[in-house]
Amino acid sequence: AQSVSQHNHHVILSEAASLELGCNYSYGGTVNLFWYVQYPGQHLQLLLKYFSGDPLVKGIKGFEAEFIKSKFSFNLRKPSVQWSDTAEYFCAVNAWSGGYNKLIFGAGTRLAVHP
Amino acid sequence: EAQVTQNPRYLITVTGKKLTVTCSQNMNHEYMSWYRQDPGLGLRQIYYSMNVEVTDKGDVPEGYKVSRKEKRNFPLILESPSPNQTSLYFCASSPDGGGTEAFFGQGTRLTVV
Repeated sequence: AQSVSQHNHHVILSEAASLELGCNYSYGGTVNLFWYVQYPGQHLQLLLKYFSGDPLVKGIKGFEAEFIKSKFSFNLRKPSVQWSDTAEYFCAVNAWSGGYNKLIFGAGTRLAVHP
Repeated sequence: EAQVTQNPRYLITVTGKKLTVTCSQNMNHEYMSWYRQDPGLGLRQIYYSMNVEVTDKGDVPEGYKVSRKEKRNFPLILESPSPNQTSLYFCASSPDGGGTEAFFGQGTRLTVV
């Protein structure tokens, strides 16, 4: 079955530190990849997405992610985090399952940024 | 403004008392789905709907029902809630089944005592 693994469940950083959140998926076919962010008390919002083309995609708020097909990975990065980046981050993969397209989410990574 | 609206945002209920969480979208999306979010488990799909009158089970459908009588509405029904259904619920819509961006509602925090 398809699955998405996020290796870091909790990450604590100081402001200006660099961020990399790991995401690996298991699915052999063509995939669309997403990172969603959930700020405290809010709903999920799309951070960035990859469908095809340049494997390095840029999203909102200075985030970027790199799709490495050979590693089945789609890691999220930001060179310098801010306190306002404190949130939970979800990697998601769109794949065919049971005859229809569905989004499969990872367990999430909770990021805390200290000023 | 394009949005997915869920109601209520917060709900505390007792075991066995039927409840409905409403979800409405104004983007004319074909596909709608319900997720529950639990710590350490991410989002798990409860039910989805490809179009009006077409619904099917997701990964964790036990104890839930849905209906899709109109394109814009996709209510989640708990006929006899139990404490293990205490969770944060999200409704989402997208033009198709997830190949494009999914739009999420604000969430409904349900507590069953």
